[in-house]
Amino acid sequence: TQLLEQSPQFLSIQEGENLTVYCNSSSVFSSLQWYRQEPGEGPVLLVTVVTGGEVKKLKRLTFQFGDARKDSSLHITAAQTGDTGLYLCAGAGGAGSYQLTFGKGTKLSVIP
Amino acid sequence: ETGVTQTPRHLVMGMTNKKSLKCEQHLGHNAMYWYKQSAKKPLELMFVYSLEERVENNSVPSRFSPECPNSSHLFLHLHTLQPEDSALYLCASSRTGSTNEKLFFGSGTQLSVL
Repeated sequence: TQLLEQSPQFLSIQEGENLTVYCNSSSVFSSLQWYRQEPGEGPVLLVTVVTGGEVKKLKRLTFQFGDARKDSSLHITAAQTGDTGLYLCAGAGGAGSYQLTFGKGTKLSVIP
Repeated sequence: ETGVTQTPRHLVMGMTNKKSLKCEQHLGHNAMYWYKQSAKKPLELMFVYSLEERVENNSVPSRFSPECPNSSHLFLHLHTLQPEDSALYLCASSRTGSTNEKLFFGSGTQLSVL
């Protein structure tokens, strides 16, 4: 069974601060997705990383896929209240599988 | 209307009731999914349909019964549920069903079983 551990589980920071959340596994994934879920809504895809060592930037968000494709991080610079939400990582396995393995998520609160 | 639409948004039911959750996607996708989201647990994949055929069933109890009449519609029929089935039920779709694809989620149905 593939597991994804996300840390921290909860994070509360002031507006303007930087933060990093982590997604770790002992398994190798062919790709990894990051989603953000706001209260009362479904998750929305932020980014997909595919290549080991890959770095992708989405405005103030920087995503990195580990060299061995077992872990990933999300760094947010100068957090804003609109960044509040549940951040989920999800790993894709081998070809032919419909399963995405999700982590439990990091619940981020950005306080004005 | 675009995207993935789920109804109802909230549902309260007794253990002896029968109810159905509905999902509709307007994206022209070929794969549709039911996920269960419980507090302190990862999203759990329940069922996957690709081109209206069920391709994955993750040992879900028979009190949950999915139906996919066409590639745009997905139902989850519920009967004799247990209180531990209370959760957010999310429908999603993707273009072909490959795990590398982006999933488009609906807003979910918050289910409470009394």
